[in-house]
Amino acid sequence: DSGVTQTPKHLITATGQRVTLRCSPRSGDLSVYWYQQSLDQGLQFLIQYYNGEERAKGNILERFSAQQFPDLHSELNLSSLELGDSALYFCASSVGGQGGYEQYFGPGTRLTVT
Amino acid sequence: GQNIDQPTEMTATEGAIVQINCTYQTSGFNGLFWYQQHAGEAPTFLSYNVLDGLEEKGRFSSFLSRSKGYSYLLLKELQMKDSASYLCAVRGNYGGSQGNLIFGKGTKLSVKP
Repeated sequence: DSGVTQTPKHLITATGQRVTLRCSPRSGDLSVYWYQQSLDQGLQFLIQYYNGEERAKGNILERFSAQQFPDLHSELNLSSLELGDSALYFCASSVGGQGGYEQYFGPGTRLTVT
Repeated sequence: GQNIDQPTEMTATEGAIVQINCTYQTSGFNGLFWYQQHAGEAPTFLSYNVLDGLEEKGRFSSFLSRSKGYSYLLLKELQMKDSASYLCAVRGNYGGSQGNLIFGKGTKLSVKP
């Protein structure tokens, strides 16, 4: 158990809908990272927050957004869902904000868009 | 651009040694990580190299050559539970990225009895 929690574990929804994925980092970690993993792609970095502020952006679509709250939990919002958004979404956390610290991954949310 | 290459699949025998290679071309370099991922589960941290040379951790070792853009993960005394995907990831110095991790697509290792 990495200490990072994610909810829900599974999510099935229809195209065009909007969903919110939630992540709680390990106690003491200030950085939260979001990744998408689909069958034909590796882990794709989406976005990073550090202590409530957006720190870095990767391959995140405009239909996706995220935020980190004062208690350091984070939410990833996915809207206007398409079939291609079906994937495993992982949240990871680390102590520092420079990305070089070891990242601890949560169990993931499996999103299925039908 | 950023590119990380590793073999897609490998097979090895229980008790043997296997080496998983990773080559990278990235905009800047600030360390290389190896993660293990069992199917449908979260990646778990295995090793970190930032200087050239070999880092040993029990049955697992990782090597880095920065001049060659090359790393390998060495697994000794293979066990059936080592069947998993092994992900190579590089921390770079990309503009605005603050050195976040870029992952390769992973090498799926199958350990046979």
